[in-house]
Amino acid sequence: GNSVTQMEGPVTLSEEAFLTINCTYTATGYPSLFWYVQYPGEGLQLLLKATKADDKGSNKGFEATYRKETTSFHLEKGSVQVSDSAVYFCALGGAGSARQLTFGSGTQLTVLP
Amino acid sequence: DGGITQSPKYLFRKEGQNVTLSCEQNLNHDAMYWYRQDPGQGLRLIYYSQIVNDFQKGDIAEGYSVSREKKESFPLTVTSAQKNPTAFYLCASSTPRGDPPSGELFFGEGSRLTVL
Repeated sequence: GNSVTQMEGPVTLSEEAFLTINCTYTATGYPSLFWYVQYPGEGLQLLLKATKADDKGSNKGFEATYRKETTSFHLEKGSVQVSDSAVYFCALGGAGSARQLTFGSGTQLTVLP
Repeated sequence: DGGITQSPKYLFRKEGQNVTLSCEQNLNHDAMYWYRQDPGQGLRLIYYSQIVNDFQKGDIAEGYSVSREKKESFPLTVTSAQKNPTAFYLCASSTPRGDPPSGELFFGEGSRLTVL
């Protein structure tokens, strides 16, 4: 079946540090890949997505590249801010006969001033 | 503004009681979903509906029930058969009805249920 494995958290960084959150997946076919962000007490919001191999999704300074050869979709940001503190979820969709998204377990990010 | 509204935001329940969580969307989306979120476990799918009057079980449907009588509404009932109902519940919707869907999910702000 489909699955997503995310880097264990929590992750704590200082402001302006470089961020990487690892995500790897297992899926049949050619899934679309997503990163969602959840701020405290809220639902999830789409951060970025990529629908085919070698696509790069980007938004708000965050980037992730769909790597089919390594089945990965790592999230990166060059310089994090305190306002980036949130939980980040990697997800895949559209793989095989699955009719819903499969989510990773989430990674808590805290950015200190 | 278009979006998904979940209510109540916080709910307390005594053991043995059924409770119903409301989810309403005005995005004109066909598909709606219920997820459960527990600390450190990510999101697990409870039920989903691709179209009015039709719904399917997700990965953890036992102890839950849903209905989809209107396109805009997808209420979730947490029954007394659910052994560990304390959790954060998230409703979501999406527009694609195709097979397989690969579009974005839009989430509500969630409902936190606590069993006393």
